[in-house]
Amino acid sequence: DAGVTQSPTHLIKTRGQQVTLRCSPKSGHDTVSWYQQALGQGPQFIFQYYEEEERQRGNFPDRFSGHQFPNYSSELNVNALLLGDSALYLCASSSQGREGYTFGSGTRLTVV
Amino acid sequence: AQRVTQPEKLLSVFKGAPVELKCNYSYSGSPELFWYVQYSRQRLQLLLRHISRESIKGFTADLNKGETSFHLKKPFAQEEDSAMYYCALVSSNTGKLIFGQGTTLQVKP
Repeated sequence: DAGVTQSPTHLIKTRGQQVTLRCSPKSGHDTVSWYQQALGQGPQFIFQYYEEEERQRGNFPDRFSGHQFPNYSSELNVNALLLGDSALYLCASSSQGREGYTFGSGTRLTVV
Repeated sequence: AQRVTQPEKLLSVFKGAPVELKCNYSYSGSPELFWYVQYSRQRLQLLLRHISRESIKGFTADLNKGETSFHLKKPFAQEEDSAMYYCALVSSNTGKLIFGQGTTLQVKP
């Protein structure tokens, strides 16, 4: 089992551009959550998807949006990128929150 | 408000010394609490869940509802324990995982 896989691993974008990050959950998991981790900080919850719907949302602007596909994989989209969006973006999957969350290695986004 | 607080950014101990990483939480209801660990250049991984009450790599954590704490302890630190440790709670209503700021544990030889 590959666990949670995220792509790409690194990305450099220019201010104002749009970015899409991808996540494949661990086999058997149906819930995907996205987190933003700034340098030296704990992961901050962005949103959670279950049954292809956004179920919970953290304190992030509408520029952050997502999607979950029928195979449970997920995408995170960020529009109109700002320098402050530079961070490690983590995807975590679970079986409806039970037994903890399994994390991917993350996508390092740098906005220049 | 639901919050997890880890008061120490850095904890430095010598090999063989006892370790206690502090975690306090704010939550109305019965939270589910976790400790996650991130070793250098590795992904975040689950270390402990309070529900399972198990010991992993010699670490234990006890939920103290009176003090709203979930401190992580190990009687004898090893150099390979050096890592970033995050305390987190899951809201039973939302399933949202809320992290503390993390504590870097540095075990010196």
